[in-house]
Amino acid sequence: KQEVTQIPAALSVPEGENLVLNCSFTDSAIYNLQWFRQDPGKGLTSLLLIQSSQREQTSGRLNASLDKSSGRSTLYIAASQPGDSATYLCAVRAGGYNKLIFGAGTRLAVHP
Amino acid sequence: DARVTQTPRDKVTEMGQEVTMRCQPILGHNTVFWYRQTMMQGLELLAYFRNRAPLDDSGMPKDRFSAEMPDATLATLKIQPSEPRDSAVYFCASGSYSGRGYNEQFFGPGTRLTVL
Repeated sequence: KQEVTQIPAALSVPEGENLVLNCSFTDSAIYNLQWFRQDPGKGLTSLLLIQSSQREQTSGRLNASLDKSSGRSTLYIAASQPGDSATYLCAVRAGGYNKLIFGAGTRLAVHP
Repeated sequence: DARVTQTPRDKVTEMGQEVTMRCQPILGHNTVFWYRQTMMQGLELLAYFRNRAPLDDSGMPKDRFSAEMPDATLATLKIQPSEPRDSAVYFCASGSYSGRGYNEQFFGPGTRLTVL
C-alpha cells in the first residue's frame, strides 16, 4: 500500500530564507508526483507536476525534484516571502491508475 | 480563467438529512474526482470518473454515499442519510486523460459540510 510522508510537519522561517520541503513515498512505481499549496479554508492550488521520467520541474522560485528509486521528492523554495505561508502537500499518482495519494502536508510560516 | 466550481461552499445540516454537493469541472476535462479532507485522515479519494463513467468509488461508504455525472458539466456527490462523522471539507477536482497519460488535477474551493 502506497504511503506518502512529509517532513517536517511544520516549519517557521524568516523572510528571505531558502528552504526545502521533503516528501517520501513507499512504492516507487508511481506515474507522477504533484505538489500543491493550500491556504487556510481554501482549495488546493497545483504548483508543479513531475512525470516519473523527469528529475525536476521549475516554476519561478519553486523547484521540485524527483528521485523515484529512493522514493523521494523535494520542493525547494528560493528567497521565501510571507506570501508563501501555506500548507504544502505532495501527492503521488500510482502507475497506471489516476488515484492521488496525499501526504499530510508541511505547514509553512514565513515571517517578516 | 478556467476553474473548478463547487456549490454550496458551506452546508450545515442535521443528522439524517440528505446532502447534495455539486461540481462543475473545467470545460474540456474528462476526469473528475471527489475527495474528502479531515484533520484526522487528511485528503482521501472518494470517487473517480472518466468520460462520465465511474471508474473507482472504493473510497466511498456505499450505503450512504453516491456519486454521479449526469452530464459532462456536472458532477454530484450525495449523502443520505448524513451523519456527524461525515463533517469534512469535500473537494472536487478535474483533469484530463489522453493516450499519453494523466495530467494535472485542478481542485475546486471545496464544500465545508457540518452535520449536527
